[in-house]
Amino acid sequence: GAGVSQSPSNKVTEKGKDVELRCDPISGHTALYWYRQSLGQGLEFLIYFQGNSAPDKSGLPSDRFSAERTGGSVSTLTIQRTQQEDSAVYLCASSLRGGDSPLHFGNGTRLTVT
Amino acid sequence: RKEVEQDPGPFNVPEGATVAFNCTYSNSASQSFFWYRQDCRKEPKLLMSVYSSGNEDGRFTAQLNRASQYISLLIRDSKLSDSATYLCVVVYNTDKLIFGTGTRLQVFP
Repeated sequence: GAGVSQSPSNKVTEKGKDVELRCDPISGHTALYWYRQSLGQGLEFLIYFQGNSAPDKSGLPSDRFSAERTGGSVSTLTIQRTQQEDSAVYLCASSLRGGDSPLHFGNGTRLTVT
Repeated sequence: RKEVEQDPGPFNVPEGATVAFNCTYSNSASQSFFWYRQDCRKEPKLLMSVYSSGNEDGRFTAQLNRASQYISLLIRDSKLSDSATYLCVVVYNTDKLIFGTGTRLQVFP
């Protein structure tokens, strides 16, 4: 399969716990994006990685959120001390070069904080 | 004003109808534009890019109006399978992608 892979597909966690979400982009894609989508809402930009450049973190909602991308490939999004308002679908997307090249989305991770 | 705005709908149309959605954007420096389709509880998928001169892909036509800062999507001969949420995406500053909140389309028999 050559698509964007995200894991886990579903995650239920207790309030206050930390979670890690993983994204494996399409091989050769230099750009990687994280978005989140609450039920019935639009996509909210979180963070963007492009090659070796410093990531654009302007969308991260608080300092409990962080992300890294190792070796220009796999990315992990970490949420510390989860809150109920963090419940959403977290979508990862990659594109060949960012900018005007199309995004390919993974199936998302549905996070539920109880 | 939001950077990218769409009418949330829903647009309820019968099979065979023609339906059009608009998407307005606020940043005149926006460079690239796309329409994505998102089915219920699924990830968005690229429907088509939007070119300055307008472009067509089968029953779908996309247009860009830079002067009025909007893009449009026209769907002819609607099918039941066209029922989905249609998201517009605007790109500026080379790498800044902004999604609209989407327009929901429901095609009924």
